[in-house]
Amino acid sequence: NAGVMQNPRHLVRRRGQEARLRCSPMKGHSHVYWYRQLPEEGLKFMVYLQKENIIDESGMPKERFSAEFPKEGPSILRIQQVVRGDSAAYFCASGGSLNSYNEQFFGPGTRLTVL
Amino acid sequence: AQRVTQPEKLLSVFKGAPVELKCNYSYSGSPELFWYVQYSRQRLQLLLRHISRESIKGFTADLNKGETSFHLKKPFAQEEDSAMYYCALSGREGAQKLVFGQGTRLTINP
Repeated sequence: NAGVMQNPRHLVRRRGQEARLRCSPMKGHSHVYWYRQLPEEGLKFMVYLQKENIIDESGMPKERFSAEFPKEGPSILRIQQVVRGDSAAYFCASGGSLNSYNEQFFGPGTRLTVL
Repeated sequence: AQRVTQPEKLLSVFKGAPVELKCNYSYSGSPELFWYVQYSRQRLQLLLRHISRESIKGFTADLNKGETSFHLKKPFAQEEDSAMYYCALSGREGAQKLVFGQGTRLTINP
């Protein structure tokens, strides 16, 4: 089991462009969580998804941010019209396996830099 | 409000000395508490959770509901314990989001 995969690991965008971050959960996991870590801060929850459903998006900014977890393929976190304040590390975690339901396993993160 | 506070951003101790990383929380209800660790150039990984009552790599943490604390302790620090440590909580019912503290960078000096 390769663990949670995220790509790209590093992403550079200019202001106004779109950023797409991808996350493939561990095999057997049905839940995906996205967290954001701003410099010098802890991880902040953004959104929790199960296949084709958003379960909790209480941490998502109201505009420009969206997330999906389609039936086939990875989960995508999409940021439209990026601004400098979006520069951060974005971590994905997966969970929901039968033998460890409440435990979350983290990916290596995507570091987004907005120029 | 759900909140996790780690009062120390940096903690430095000598090898062989005891270590205590502080964590206080605020939560209406009975949360589940975790410690996550991130070693240099590695991903965040679970160190221990309070319901397991385990000792992992010599670390233990006891949930004190009266003081709403979940401090992480190790009696004799080792150089390989140098890492970033995050305390986190979640609700107990079903799969839920984690609320993280700001983290404590632990450095073990030789």
